Amino acid sequence: QKEVEQNSGPLSVPEGAIASLNCTYSDRVSQSFFWYRQYSGKSPELIMSIYSNGDKEDGRFTAQLNKASQYVSLLIRDSQPSDSATYLCAVGGGSTLGRLYFGRGTQLTVWP
Amino acid sequence: SQTIHQWPATLVQPVGSPLSLECTVEGTSNPNLYWYRQAAGRGLQLLFYSVGIGQISSEVPQNLSASRPQDRQFILSSKKLLLSDSGFYLCAWSKENLRNQPQHFGDGTRLSIL
Repeated sequence: QKEVEQNSGPLSVPEGAIASLNCTYSDRVSQSFFWYRQYSGKSPELIMSIYSNGDKEDGRFTAQLNKASQYVSLLIRDSQPSDSATYLCAVGGGSTLGRLYFGRGTQLTVWP
Repeated sequence: SQTIHQWPATLVQPVGSPLSLECTVEGTSNPNLYWYRQAAGRGLQLLFYSVGIGQISSEVPQNLSASRPQDRQFILSSKKLLLSDSGFYLCAWSKENLRNQPQHFGDGTRLSIL
């Protein structure tokens, strides 16, 4: 069973702060890592992809990957109330072609 | 650009009734297609995935079935719904038979069983 673990939260940060979301995975051969944002009552939306060790930045979002530690994180700088959502970590590229394994998500609340 | 359509958006059905949810993708060929269910406060549960017409893999044995009659059409069905079938049903697609591709979700169908 391929596991993807996330802290369920809720994580609460003030507006303007850095929100840090963490994810660990069990399958060492995983090659692709994604972060999805899911607003309440809506479907998940892809916000970040990362494939290599290190950091990848896109606007206020930074994804960090450490394959040796089987750890991926998402940093949100200058958090805004509109960032309040559940963030899903997804891991793929293992033995099953096209399959992604999702964590249960971390609920983030950014208060003004 | 690629788009995914899923309908209906909401559905209220009595226990024991049949179900048919449809999903179509535009702007791509031979996509991988997926059906997920998300119960209230729970994670995403993969129900079925398909890598081509008529090719369906089932992840969880249950009273649901899936079919792919056309390249970009994916249908989720049930002959008799159970109370436990309530949830948020999501269709997703990814590029054909490629590793390391993200999945892209439709808007979902919220199913309530009475």
